[in-house]
Amino acid sequence: QVQLKESGPGLMQPSETLSLTCTVSGFSLTSNGVGWVRQPLGKGLVWMGTIWAGGSTNYNSAVQSRLSISRDTSKSQVFLKMNSLQPEDTGTYYCARHEGDYTVAHFDYWGQGVMVTVSS
Amino acid sequence: DIVLTQSPALAVSLGQRATISCKTNQNVDYYGNSYMHWYQQKPGQQPKLLIYLASNLASGIPARFSGRGSGTDFTLTIDPVEADDTATYYCQQSRNLPWTFGGGTKLELK
Repeated sequence: QVQLKESGPGLMQPSETLSLTCTVSGFSLTSNGVGWVRQPLGKGLVWMGTIWAGGSTNYNSAVQSRLSISRDTSKSQVFLKMNSLQPEDTGTYYCARHEGDYTVAHFDYWGQGVMVTVSS
Repeated sequence: DIVLTQSPALAVSLGQRATISCKTNQNVDYYGNSYMHWYQQKPGQQPKLLIYLASNLASGIPARFSGRGSGTDFTLTIDPVEADDTATYYCQQSRNLPWTFGGGTKLELK
């Protein structure tokens, strides 16, 4: 069955670079896109960016200058890297699968999320 | 950016109908589709897709859930409400980048 699992450090310091990995199973990264969604504690969902089946990417302009999403299809892994972390980057980071292509863009499967705290 | 507005909370009795609204500041229709989707999130869990393209039921979701709307006004209906439906419900648009979510509506039981 389709599964996604996020991994990465739980505690970061301001100005550091965050690296998260999303390991997927049950589908191929060359068939479905995968996006990253952040949720500050007790708040709503914010789409950060997506890497598509063909390898192209889209980013939220709010974080585009700091964010990079890449993948290793042979390992079924998607990577998020975000630099210049600030306390407001604290939250739960989810990776999620796109059911369709860019024209549809909803998320049909989600990982359990990884909590990231940015604090000195 | 397209802004999605949801009421923060809704209280409904067991067995009754819950109607959750989502209003957008721009039209999210395009070539016959409404690019609006709905998710359920329970405390401590990841979101779950309920409805896509405004009215299509996602796989495995009970028929108690339904969605409708077009343009800038959308609703998610749960009928009848069960105890397990207590959660926060989010709408999401995919008409324009950046894709955006509503602030969420917390459904509680009276």
